[in-house]
Amino acid sequence: ETGVTQTPRHLVMGMTNKKSLKCEQHLGHNAMYWYKQSAKKPLELMFVYNFKEQTENNSVPSRFSPECPNSSHLFLHLHTLQPEDSALYLCASSQLGQVDTQYFGPGTRLTVL
Amino acid sequence: GEDVEQSLFLSVREGDSSVINCTYTDSSSTYLYWYKQEPGAGLQLLTYIFSNMDMKQDQRLTVLLNKKDKHLSLRIADTQTGDSAIYFCAESRVNDMRFGAGTRLTVKP
Repeated sequence: ETGVTQTPRHLVMGMTNKKSLKCEQHLGHNAMYWYKQSAKKPLELMFVYNFKEQTENNSVPSRFSPECPNSSHLFLHLHTLQPEDSALYLCASSQLGQVDTQYFGPGTRLTVL
Repeated sequence: GEDVEQSLFLSVREGDSSVINCTYTDSSSTYLYWYKQEPGAGLQLLTYIFSNMDMKQDQRLTVLLNKKDKHLSLRIADTQTGDSAIYFCAESRVNDMRFGAGTRLTVKP
């Protein structure tokens, strides 16, 4: 148990659907991250939140919308996705500034039809 | 090219040694890491090495760093079937980390 949970674990959606991914950390951390893991490609950092404030957005399309209501919860709202957005979406958390000691959740396997 | 590069696949027999290689580009990286991802799980930090070290050993794991060539390797001695997973190399930067695409290690009985 890594202390970082993600729901759902699997999600299949059409291009016109709206869905949300949820991440929760039970480690008392104050920084949270969204990563995209595509097959045979490096892990891509999407968003970083420090103390609920978004500090990084790596040129992610607006069809991905993050939300961090508090330091324990992180959401990724999805709408009008494309098939190439199919991937494993990983959430991670760490103490502020300790980006190299991130704890990862198990990920949500997203398939866009 | 990518910031961090790894070969995508490695297959070994149980009991043999596995060597997973990685090259990186940022010479200012302070730490370099190896993560392990088992099926259905997130990434777990396996080991790391400080950039002023050449080698680090931790039980069956040996990390070698050639800073001049920006080459990092992970050696797993006496590889077991439970070592089958995807191994990610990563380098830390000021505000983020850069990961490779991962090497899928398959251990055959």
